[in-house]
Amino acid sequence: NAGVTQTPKFQVLKTGQSMTLQCAQDMNHNSMYWYRQDPGMGLRLIYYSASEGTTDKGEVPNGYNVSRLNKREFSLRLESAAPSQTSVYFCASSITSNQPQHFGDGTRLSIL
Amino acid sequence: EDKVVQSPLSLVVHEGDTVTLNCSYEVTNFRSLLWYKQEKKAPTFLFMLTSSGIEKKSGRLSSILDKKELFSILNITATQTGDSAIYLCAVEAGYTGFQKLVFGTGTRLLVSP
Repeated sequence: NAGVTQTPKFQVLKTGQSMTLQCAQDMNHNSMYWYRQDPGMGLRLIYYSASEGTTDKGEVPNGYNVSRLNKREFSLRLESAAPSQTSVYFCASSITSNQPQHFGDGTRLSIL
Repeated sequence: EDKVVQSPLSLVVHEGDTVTLNCSYEVTNFRSLLWYKQEKKAPTFLFMLTSSGIEKKSGRLSSILDKKELFSILNITATQTGDSAIYLCAVEAGYTGFQKLVFGTGTRLLVSP
């Protein structure tokens, strides 16, 4: 049971570099999400995709873009990384938006 | 602004103790409240509560919701070292369309042998 798989697990970037975080789920879920988790801040929603073909902004979307490539995959892109984007990023999925979300193991991203 | 507040921020107990974790909320159009356990990596789902006064139970863990007073508690009885984790409370809120989760900052529980 893979569930929600995120790659990479760790990444160090320099300011201004770009990268894409990958997320895939094998539970046939319709909804997918990207969160960031910072000390003392709790999990904050960056972007979400209610269903295949749709994406929308969450609480903290600035500096990020997303692509719902198909039902399984939802990627998060940092176009020009900034130190303020140093965080742990979690991808999650759920059957529909009002059902419990299942999380991946996270990507720890450091931007120097 | 929607808000979820958890207390205490951290807690250290001895194995065998009973603990109660608190979650209060102020949100627009409450839908449900969820509890997650986060060990080293992914938060894992524990409970989803939608109705007041109905206890949800799973082994030594239980949770209840009070929609009048806007809070929930998570109880863990006969704690074990494996219960050491961060416990996250999240509230689903909103009107029509997509409901998003608002998370609290979590309670860090350490169970010492």
